[in-house]
Amino acid sequence: GESVGLHLPTLSVQEGDNSIINCAYSNSASDYFIWYKQESGKGPQFIIDIRSNMDKRQGQRVTVLLNKTVKHLSLQIAATQPGDSAVYFCAEGATGFQKLVFGTGTRLLVSP
Amino acid sequence: DAGVTQSPTHLIKTRGQHVTLRCSPISGHKSVSWYQQVLGQGPQFIFQYYEKEERGRGNFPDRFSARQFPNYSSELNVNALLLGDSALYLCASSFELAGLTGELFFGEGSRLTVL
Repeated sequence: GESVGLHLPTLSVQEGDNSIINCAYSNSASDYFIWYKQESGKGPQFIIDIRSNMDKRQGQRVTVLLNKTVKHLSLQIAATQPGDSAVYFCAEGATGFQKLVFGTGTRLLVSP
Repeated sequence: DAGVTQSPTHLIKTRGQHVTLRCSPISGHKSVSWYQQVLGQGPQFIFQYYEKEERGRGNFPDRFSARQFPNYSSELNVNALLLGDSALYLCASSFELAGLTGELFFGEGSRLTVL
């Protein structure tokens, strides 16, 4: 079946570094992608989204890049802070379908 | 405004029992989705309801059922519990049907442990 996967299960960075979390997706029909942050004991929190007609979208300290040619999605976090420590999930969806397909997640550990 | 609220937050059941989980969406949101998150994995789609009708269903057995009430709150029911049903059950609400025109707002989840 279709799936969304991540290359790195754990990413450790120093405070102030830039972090890059990667995600590969396999459903070519997906046209909407979202990054979620999930802290321990909490539900996923929306970070940023991007539609397939875009290659890049920027938010506050975060940037999402979409490469449809290789079906790759990345989340860049600038000046990573200890509060950014969490599990990050990419998720994909397709217009007309009601569900999001989540990847398995990447744990980001930020050391002070 | 209150976010998505779920109850109970934690519960323990034994195999064969049934469970009912409850969700109240954000005020004004008409769509509720349920996801199952097994430890160490990403959430898996179970159901979506919009205007009290089922609009999507994931690959889950008939033991799983749900409904949405006139006030847009929702219940997820699981019968004949199995050990593998142990998971965090997440409810998410959105204003629109597809949830893709805006954000999906997740609750904190109900952690179910089946012994």
